[in-house]
Amino acid sequence: DIQMTQSPSSLSASIGHRVTITCQASQDISNYLNWYQQKPGKAPNLLIYDASNLATGVPLRFSGGGSGTYFTLTINNLQPEDIAVYYCQQYNNLASYTFGQGTKLEI
Amino acid sequence: EVQLVQSGAEVKKPGESLRISCKGSGYSFSSFWISWVRQKPGKGLEWMGRIEPSASQTTYSPSFQGHVSISVDKSTSTAYLQWSSLNAADTAIYYCTKHLYAFDVWGRGTMVTVSS
Repeated sequence: DIQMTQSPSSLSASIGHRVTITCQASQDISNYLNWYQQKPGKAPNLLIYDASNLATGVPLRFSGGGSGTYFTLTINNLQPEDIAVYYCQQYNNLASYTFGQGTKLEI
Repeated sequence: EVQLVQSGAEVKKPGESLRISCKGSGYSFSSFWISWVRQKPGKGLEWMGRIEPSASQTTYSPSFQGHVSISVDKSTSTAYLQWSSLNAADTAIYYCTKHLYAFDVWGRGTMVTVSS
């Protein structure tokens, strides 16, 4: 099974600053990587698909990058509404959609 | 509007059976897969399995194979997640989500509590 490791597990940042979350796959997954945001008490929401494509309605301050085994999610100009847990997910093997363990973002 | 509407919260005793539902609307239900995702209290997301509605073909995570069953009723655009015998470790929120590759629409979740 492909394992996904996110870093850090939690972080605190200030309004207006930039934060970067990383996700490492245990094997090459090309660009088959998605990012989700889960706000407290809510269902997850798709942010980024195929490693770098912004999902519909997602603010331009979010961006994704990487390929192979190393991926990043960057949030520029951090806003109060960005408080959430962020998850990466691989779909290289369509018989398994592994999530990372999550990164809790606090402001 | 594309929506997945899930059934309401459930409280069950260990050993009981349960089926929860997820009704799709606003899109071609048979053209997209439905997956179920578990989230235990305060924990992360775990993919359980998926169904391809057009063929009712299922794929399960090894972690959940044999413990749950996923099915679909195309006539009502509804997917189901079923247990024949619940245990306390099944206490969680269960989300359904529509997808091909990215999980682009999610239901609000069904809270399942298993307690004696």
